[in-house]
Amino acid sequence: DAKTTQPPSMDCAEGRAANLPCNHSTISGNEYVYWYRQIHSQGPQYIIHGLKNNETNEMASLIITEDRKSSTLILPHATLRDTAVYYCIVRLYNFNKFYFGSGTKLNVKP
Amino acid sequence: NAGVTQTPKFRILKIGQSMTLQCTQDMNHNYMYWYRQDPGMGLKLIYYSVGAGITDKGEVPNGYNVSRSTTEDFPLRLELAAPSQTSVYFCASSYGRESEQYFGPGTRLTVT
Repeated sequence: DAKTTQPPSMDCAEGRAANLPCNHSTISGNEYVYWYRQIHSQGPQYIIHGLKNNETNEMASLIITEDRKSSTLILPHATLRDTAVYYCIVRLYNFNKFYFGSGTKLNVKP
Repeated sequence: NAGVTQTPKFRILKIGQSMTLQCTQDMNHNYMYWYRQDPGMGLKLIYYSVGAGITDKGEVPNGYNVSRSTTEDFPLRLELAAPSQTSVYFCASSYGRESEQYFGPGTRLTVT
């Protein structure tokens, strides 16, 4: 199964870029990488997703390595409101396996 | 749009009782999902549906049932509640298989 590995926690200074890594070494060719975040106990919020190419939207950038075995989510200017658990997810070909994992707790500090 | 709504927000059940968690979306999404989240853990998929009348099991379906009679509604039924079902339950919906999922606010369930 193409599960993901993330560090349990990271700190980032307010206003600096937050770079959150994710390993997905068993990813298959047609499997997308998704990033969601969960603030407190709210429902998860979609951030970005990609297949092979780097992606950018109004919230973040997603950098996927050429071999697709890892990726990095970049929040360009972290704010206190970005403090959350960030989940890196790889959707398997079998649709019913969508693993959130334990995520990375990002602490943005003033 | 209200997005994805869930009721109730909180519920306490006694062991052996049954209940239905309600989920409604007003975005005309085909796909709907039920997840549970135990303390300090990520979400686990319970059931999902790809359209009205079509449902399938996720990673942890035991002890739960679902139905999808309309596009908008996707209720989750708990029969014979057990303490192991104490969790926060999230409903989500998406337009397509690869589309982003929109989550509801969750239902916090305690079984004692």
